[in-house]
Amino acid sequence: QQQVKQSPQSLIVQKGGISIINCAYENTAFDYFPWYQQFPGKGPALLIAIRPDVSEKKEGRFTISFNKSAKQFSLHIMDSQPGDSATYFCAAMQTGTASKLTFGTGTRLQVTL
Amino acid sequence: DAGITQSPRHKVTETGTPVTLRCHQTENHRYMYWYRQDPGHGLRLIHYSYGVKDTDKGEVSDGYSVSRSKTEDFLLTLESATSSQTSVYFCAIRGGVSYNEQFFGPGTRLTVL
Repeated sequence: QQQVKQSPQSLIVQKGGISIINCAYENTAFDYFPWYQQFPGKGPALLIAIRPDVSEKKEGRFTISFNKSAKQFSLHIMDSQPGDSATYFCAAMQTGTASKLTFGTGTRLQVTL
Repeated sequence: DAGITQSPRHKVTETGTPVTLRCHQTENHRYMYWYRQDPGHGLRLIHYSYGVKDTDKGEVSDGYSVSRSKTEDFLLTLESATSSQTSVYFCAIRGGVSYNEQFFGPGTRLTVL
């Protein structure tokens, strides 16, 4: 049972464009939603995270949009750069317990020149 | 890498042999986690620990055991490795400002022939 569904599986964006990755969750007890960035041969690195009490969070070129009623959240990368080429994972967690993360299946982003 | 090291970084072994992977942290974090990463599955939780000698199962714990005799070390053991356990294994610790963040080590690539 996949509790966090992520799309698309892969994405090609031109330099300067906007990259959008979407996730949907099922468990309404989830209350913390991080995004991770992973480069080949490296461990996932926390990029940005949001709690469901806000609809949007922005850090530099990265923005999370959150729709609680639809149980969906998305990552927007503005002015995408070749250095953003990586695999991105969304995740969800119910806080206050063991903080176990449930991950999406990942999106491989390629930013072309 | 939040002071997390994993050893070995690469290992090739044969079916039926025991394998132990080590995760070492230097920052006295209470919670530690083992995940496996496979194409099409994202990262899945194997086991986690919430203190010395305190561990619990994750989503895909069958065929794995863990031990934590010291705060800084969390060991993952495959008692009798199978080809289905060929994967990249990541260790993570819980920390950060909100204490909900997880920080990952560099990973161990395990191949079971």
